[in-house]
Amino acid sequence: NAGVTQTPKFQVLKTGQSMTLQCAQDMNHEYMSWYRQDPGMGLRLIHYSVGAGITDQGEVPNGYNVSRSTTEDFPLRLLSAAPSQTSVYFCASSRTGNGYTFGSGTRLTVV
Amino acid sequence: AQTVTQSQPEMSVQEAETVTLSCTYDTSENNYYLFWYKQPPSRQMILVIRQEAYKQQNATENRFSVNFQKAAKSFSLKISDSQLGDTAMYFCAFMKPSGSSNTGKLIFGQGTTLQVKP
Repeated sequence: NAGVTQTPKFQVLKTGQSMTLQCAQDMNHEYMSWYRQDPGMGLRLIHYSVGAGITDQGEVPNGYNVSRSTTEDFPLRLLSAAPSQTSVYFCASSRTGNGYTFGSGTRLTVV
Repeated sequence: AQTVTQSQPEMSVQEAETVTLSCTYDTSENNYYLFWYKQPPSRQMILVIRQEAYKQQNATENRFSVNFQKAAKSFSLKISDSQLGDTAMYFCAFMKPSGSSNTGKLIFGQGTTLQVKP
């Protein structure tokens, strides 16, 4: 059981570049979510999904896209990176009613 | 919309002593889940304890226990016999159950940084 796997662990982008943060889980969890964490702050929800084919916006969705074609994968796309998107990104998954299991995070810097 | 508030940005405790972290939340739901997560300097998010709102009994996990006051919408975390490894940021979180609107959304408080001193 690998749990929740996020790739890459570190990434530096130039303003305007696009990229996809990958997230995969092998626990057959229905729920998956993406969060961002800025220095000294809590986790803010970007997008979440309650099952394959179903996604919804969280608190800070602007500038990010998601899709969920399979139960296992939930990629997060940055279409045109901006310095304000410099953050640590966490992917997480959960079975209904249980706490979320988190990946180890991706540290993204946009210059 | 649900909100979660942690009013103590920073706390400290001596090793082996007991500390309580506060959390309040706002919801009109009767059934929901509450969680405490720990984030040590490694940055990994670790689930500490889980409480189901329809259970009156307070959850306990070894040295960690909660005081769940549903009417007051309060969910505090007590750490007994504090250890140096408890030094971390602690987050309170709220989630609605399946079948509810916006189910699956885990909403976090701002966090409390806990320093355990030797």
